[in-house]
Amino acid sequence: DAGITQSPRHKVTETGTPVTLRCHQTENHRYMYWYRQDPGHGLRLIHYSYGVKDTDKGEVSDGYSVSRSKTEDFLLTLESATSSQTSVYFCAITHNADTQYFGPGTRLTVL
Amino acid sequence: SQELEQSPQSLIVQEGKNLTINCTSSKTLYGLYWYKQKYGEGLIFLMMLQKGGEEKSHEKITAKLDEKKQQSSLHITASQPSHAGIYLCGADIEKNQGAQKLVFGQGTRLTINP
Repeated sequence: DAGITQSPRHKVTETGTPVTLRCHQTENHRYMYWYRQDPGHGLRLIHYSYGVKDTDKGEVSDGYSVSRSKTEDFLLTLESATSSQTSVYFCAITHNADTQYFGPGTRLTVL
Repeated sequence: SQELEQSPQSLIVQEGKNLTINCTSSKTLYGLYWYKQKYGEGLIFLMMLQKGGEEKSHEKITAKLDEKKQQSSLHITASQPSHAGIYLCGADIEKNQGAQKLVFGQGTRLTINP
């Protein structure tokens, strides 16, 4: 699993509330990613990081922000959750410059 | 992503039979990744292909990337119940040496009947 953990694993929240998901890795990987997985859309990249405090947008970044203040942690924040953000969120890392491993996922439900 | 088309979307095979899943793009694939996912779980990395014509095998699973680097196939020989799940292809369609911003196909749901 390349030492990737995600927290929480499940969360139910209400529309309009802020939500932060955490991705933690223990192997000092430089590149980290956040994807969302939805039926009919597959996996889509939200944001990624190429180092501490270095982040960039992916395909579906609207409504999301990220932060990386330490190598091991990559946070995904929904400033004001909407029902369209109900999804399964996966964190990933690049290993050995060419392989991407995924975390176990966080299932988020926005009511 | 519409940039990667997987076929078939679902597949039901008898245990012991061979099967093939395809992943096609209109763009050059600079890295092609195959993953397996059990329902409600994370993605398990299977193989990564980079060079045109490359072929890799692991146990009974073989993946190939065509010479043009626009199509990949995943072949399972003598399927077993443990092969059941969702197979996803992901690809890096940007030529760079840094982040791997993968796009994914919609997956192939594989069912193995005893």
